[in-house]
Amino acid sequence: EAQVTQNPRYLITVTGKKLTVTCSQNMNHEYMSWYRQDPGLGLRQIYYSMNVEVTDKGDVPEGYKVSRKEKRNFPLILESPSPNQTSLYFCASSLSGQVSGYTFGSGTRLTVV
Amino acid sequence: GDSVTQMEGPVTLSEEACLTINCTYTATGYPSLFWYVQYPGEGLQLLLKATKADDKGSNKGFEATYRKETTSFHLEKGSVQVSDSAVYFCALSEYTGNQFYFGTGTSLTVIP
Repeated sequence: EAQVTQNPRYLITVTGKKLTVTCSQNMNHEYMSWYRQDPGLGLRQIYYSMNVEVTDKGDVPEGYKVSRKEKRNFPLILESPSPNQTSLYFCASSLSGQVSGYTFGSGTRLTVV
Repeated sequence: GDSVTQMEGPVTLSEEACLTINCTYTATGYPSLFWYVQYPGEGLQLLLKATKADDKGSNKGFEATYRKETTSFHLEKGSVQVSDSAVYFCALSEYTGNQFYFGTGTSLTVIP
């Protein structure tokens, strides 16, 4: 089944403790992206990647890192999480961006205390 | 910069009522336009799309027409069902396809 898989689905952590949210897609998509969803703000793009080793900042990249060493994986790294990063995170992938739209993962609900 | 504005919710309708969710956009180029739907506890799913002016996207009884002259992409359905209860997001993507801009979402509840 074609899908985007994120792990974990739920995560509670403490301020400053590094964490990684994994994202993997099995559709051979070139484009991948991370979003955070907050009430009243909709979805905001954190980082995106057009291909292996090609990444760029979205609208809200502060406090996040990404890497794209393989086409299928696009992990999101929080080096020193803070409470304002408590949010619902979505990974998404796309074959051709604008034309095809994105396929989304099921989300990761992160709470930083 | 690019942006999407959609009507605020929540919207509550009776089953079989007509639905319109307004969406307008601001873009520098010639964007593609999308509607995504998010069911409770799930990720977003692509509902429909239109890639150029006057295109009509349609799926599952929902329709939206890309109106360049009014910079709009309103979502419509003639007869909603309880199973349509979800949050609906309007989105646009410029020609590079790298960045998507989402509206804030409109929550729809359909009551029997």
